[in-house]
Amino acid sequence: RKEVEQDPGPFNVPEGATVAFNCTYSNSASQSFFWYRQDCRKEPKLLMSVYSSGNEDGRFTAQLNRASQYISLLIRDSKLSDSATYLCAVANNTNAGKSTFGDGTTLTVKP
Amino acid sequence: DAGVIQSPRHEVTEMGQEVTLRCKPISGHNSLFWYRQTMMRGLELLIYFNNNVPIDDSGMPEDRFSAKMPNASFSTLKIQPSEPRDSAVYFCASTGQGTGSPLHFGNGTRLTVT
Repeated sequence: RKEVEQDPGPFNVPEGATVAFNCTYSNSASQSFFWYRQDCRKEPKLLMSVYSSGNEDGRFTAQLNRASQYISLLIRDSKLSDSATYLCAVANNTNAGKSTFGDGTTLTVKP
Repeated sequence: DAGVIQSPRHEVTEMGQEVTLRCKPISGHNSLFWYRQTMMRGLELLIYFNNNVPIDDSGMPEDRFSAKMPNASFSTLKIQPSEPRDSAVYFCASTGQGTGSPLHFGNGTRLTVT
């Protein structure tokens, strides 16, 4: 079993749709959680960190469930520009440190 | 504000040749990571350094791979001899100290070994 697992993709949604991704992790000592966005042939870039109480950044909401060991990302009112691969990352120290990444979920938003 | 700088952007080489990838982390960041990304295996951590010292190289696939960080502003990842299965995108990333510091990735080096 992989240390970090994500929903298999791809997700194909129309503009304006709400889409949610889940990511589970196996190391209960994990302390830091992140969502990264990766565009085709580009490097991963931080989308948002995930805090214990959940956090929101515009149309994006991240949640953490420590008991069930999963994190989620909700995208509301999706835009064409949201099309990308979304990677979750988990680290077991309070710095990003040794982050382990999921394989990513590909999102395509269609007009 | 310069980000993580990697070179070369693309490298095409023949099997058996030595390959050296270079990385300059963000100034002030004290941790540096080398990742490899392939379709089959996703993003894998190869090795990381903290304050120029290698901390964990358990992800380095085999002895053909080596990495150095002679100072806080430069690191290299070397593959000698290279093999076709080493073809991948190699990313360098850095992070500073502080709770929940995220990784900042360079543009990557796309390596093709023929």
